[in-house]
Amino acid sequence: DGGITQSPKYLFRKEGQNVTLSCEQNLNHDAMYWYRQDPGQGLRLIYYSQIVNDFQKGDIAEGYSVSREKKESFPLTVTSAQKNPTAFYLCASSIDLPISNYGYTFGSGTRLTVV
Amino acid sequence: SQQGEEDPQALSIQEGENATMNCSYKTSINNLQWYRQNSGRALVHLILIRSNEREKHSGRLRVTLDTSKKSSSLLITASRAADTASYFCATALIIQGAQKLVFGQGTRLTINP
Repeated sequence: DGGITQSPKYLFRKEGQNVTLSCEQNLNHDAMYWYRQDPGQGLRLIYYSQIVNDFQKGDIAEGYSVSREKKESFPLTVTSAQKNPTAFYLCASSIDLPISNYGYTFGSGTRLTVV
Repeated sequence: SQQGEEDPQALSIQEGENATMNCSYKTSINNLQWYRQNSGRALVHLILIRSNEREKHSGRLRVTLDTSKKSSSLLITASRAADTASYFCATALIIQGAQKLVFGQGTRLTINP
């Protein structure tokens, strides 16, 4: 079955530590996205990538970094520069057309907690 | 400020009743999408309505779009306990040649048995 896999499901980070969240898809989608969700809130876009080896900052990119070396993979690193990283992180992918009329497919998320 | 704002923030109804959620947005859109999220889980795409469409149906879901008022509504008919979830509208914008989805804050729907 095609889909998006995020790992780990739960992650604990110590102060000053970098951590990397994994996102893998086998849907052959070109575009991938990282969103952050805080309790009771909507989703905010961190980074997105339309094609391999290219990515763009979203609305809240500070303190995060990404890479897109393979079409299937779009890992997110939460760096020590991110002062309030505790949140639920969701990865998504989509068919990327100039005007796309398809929805996004989401992974099941990673819940990151600073300890 | 949020592109999409949803109303109400929370809605509690009895099983069998209809549930209506509204979404307003600020800028021109390519399409508008509705998603569902069970607590702490993935978002699931429910329905997409294009900017040139006014109404769309999918099973017990009915979505309307009024581009002149920059608003949309999601109607769930004959609600079931399993419909309990958060529902998000998302507006698709074209920015620098890329499509971006901007999500609202969501409506928390509770269906009471």
